[in-house]
Amino acid sequence: GQQLNQSPQSMFIQEGEDVSMNCTSSSIFNTWLWYKQEPGEGPVLLIALYKAGELTSNGRLTAQFGITRKDSFLNISASIPSDVGIYFCAGQPVETSGSRLTFGEGTQLTVNP
Amino acid sequence: DADVTQTPRNRITKTGKRIMLECSQTKGHDRMYWYRQDPGLGLRLIYYSFDVKDINKGEISDGYSVSRQAQAKFSLSLESAIPNQTALYFCATSEDAGFQYFGPGTRLTVT
Repeated sequence: GQQLNQSPQSMFIQEGEDVSMNCTSSSIFNTWLWYKQEPGEGPVLLIALYKAGELTSNGRLTAQFGITRKDSFLNISASIPSDVGIYFCAGQPVETSGSRLTFGEGTQLTVNP
Repeated sequence: DADVTQTPRNRITKTGKRIMLECSQTKGHDRMYWYRQDPGLGLRLIYYSFDVKDINKGEISDGYSVSRQAQAKFSLSLESAIPNQTALYFCATSEDAGFQYFGPGTRLTVT
């Protein structure tokens, strides 16, 4: 099946630092999504990307759909303690019917005040 | 009120018992999904349904079954629970394509 490689698996940073994480795939995707999951909750959508090269921001978050359509990155600027959580990338492979998504393994982010 | 609700939120059961996890949505979406989450493994698709009469297996359907009782309801059953089915279970919904909305999850422990 499809695989998404998400890195890093975990990050420990100081408040105020910038964060970058990415996902890569061996297959071409036509949608890239970034979700955040907080403890005890389900994943919540942060950013959705639908075109190669697309760069989209949501507050301090910025994500890009890679030109090759096989990767995406998420940046968080000036991190704050409430950014703590698990960040998942998800993509819709070109050959998958409907809206089935493939998820990365997640990046666990810890922000020290 | 939450758009996607799951019951129960937590459940502890014994090996061999039958368990049903329920999901309801008020978003009016046709498509519903069940995922399993284990530490370090992300979210893996168990079953999905594109409408009431359409049920499809995901990547890890063995040991699970589902029922789509109505557009708004999608239930996941474990016919005979085993310890390695201990995990977080999430229901999600979506429109025709694109992103999915997730419920709050059910934490299932099989002893």
